[in-house]
Amino acid sequence: DGGITQSPKYLFRKEGQNVTLSCEQNLNHDAMYWYRQDPGQGLRLIYYSQIVNDFQKGDIAEGYSVSREKKESFPLTVTSAQKNPTAFYLCASSTRHRADNSPLHFGNGTRLTVT
Amino acid sequence: GNSVTQMEGPVTLSEEAFLTINCTYTATGYPSLFWYVQYPGEGLQLLLKATKADDKGSNKGFEATYRKETTSFHLEKGSVQVSDSAVYFCALSGDNQGGKLIFGQGTELSVKP
Repeated sequence: DGGITQSPKYLFRKEGQNVTLSCEQNLNHDAMYWYRQDPGQGLRLIYYSQIVNDFQKGDIAEGYSVSREKKESFPLTVTSAQKNPTAFYLCASSTRHRADNSPLHFGNGTRLTVT
Repeated sequence: GNSVTQMEGPVTLSEEAFLTINCTYTATGYPSLFWYVQYPGEGLQLLLKATKADDKGSNKGFEATYRKETTSFHLEKGSVQVSDSAVYFCALSGDNQGGKLIFGQGTELSVKP
């Protein structure tokens, strides 16, 4: 079955450490996205990529970095510069990079806890 | 800029009750509108969508109509089930936004037997 795989499901880190969240899709989608979900705040866009080797900042990119070396993969690094990293992180993809009515397909998320 | 506002939750209903979750939006041009559902511990799943004014999206007994005159996309279901308990997100995708979605804050629904 095609889909989006995020790993791990739960991740624990000490403050000051960088951590990388994995996102892989086998849907042959061009566009991939990272969202952050906090209670009562909905989803906020961190970074997105419309094509391999290209990505753009979303609304809350500070303290995060991404790469898009392969179409299937879009890893997110949460750096020590991110002030409030504890959150639920969702990766998504869609079929065409400029299709406004293409739905997003989501992974099951990674819950990151930084202490 | 574009934005989405949903009614606040949590919403608690008895099984077989009628559900309405309000959603209004602000956008230039002609956005596409979506409802997504998130079950506990999971990602979001597309529930329904509408791409132009007066379109009605429907799926699994849920419906929403794209009302441009009131800039609304309210979600309704005639008879909810315990299995409908989840968080529901309204979202829009605007013109020339590269496929990005803007989400409302989500509305938690709890259905009691």
